[in-house]
Amino acid sequence: DGGITQSPKYLFRKEGQNVTLSCEQNLNHDAMYWYRQDPGQGLRLIYYSQIVNDFQKGDIAEGYSVSREKKESFPLTVTSAQKNPTAFYLCASSSPGHRYEQYFGPGTRLTVT
Amino acid sequence: EDKVVQSPLSLVVHEGDTVTLNCSYEVTNFRSLLWYKQEKKAPTFLFMLTSSGIEKKSGRLSSILDKKELFSILNITATQTGDSAVYLCAGEYGNKLVFGAGTILRVKS
Repeated sequence: DGGITQSPKYLFRKEGQNVTLSCEQNLNHDAMYWYRQDPGQGLRLIYYSQIVNDFQKGDIAEGYSVSREKKESFPLTVTSAQKNPTAFYLCASSSPGHRYEQYFGPGTRLTVT
Repeated sequence: EDKVVQSPLSLVVHEGDTVTLNCSYEVTNFRSLLWYKQEKKAPTFLFMLTSSGIEKKSGRLSSILDKKELFSILNITATQTGDSAVYLCAGEYGNKLVFGAGTILRVKS
């Protein structure tokens, strides 16, 4: 079955530690996205990538980094520079042929204490 | 600044009721408006609207876009408890989406 997987489902970290969230898709989609969701604020775009080895900052990229070495994978690193990292993180992918209808993974809930 | 505003923020109805969810947008280089349903984790795609005045339907759900007044509505008729979810709308521009905060719908049996 095609889809997007994110791991882990829940993640706990101490303040000051970097943490990497995994996102893998087998939909053969070119574009991949990372969003952050906070209560009452909807989804906000962190980073996106249209093709392998290329990515762009979204609206709230500060304190985050990404890589896109393979078409299937788009990991997100939450660095210690992110001031308020506790949130629900969603990864999505899309195919240009479907006009940016984005398919979402199940999400990772990150808690930093 | 691009923004999408949804109303109401939350809504409680009884099974069988009809609900209308609203979405207004101010998105530069707007291309389309999308609706998603988010039950627990991953939002699932409902509709993509690109043309004004053309209703899209899927079962009890329907949606329409007004590009002149910059809004869209999502209608759900004969609501069921399984419709309880957060409904998100998003404006597409370039190759990105800007999301509204969502409407929390709770359908009581």
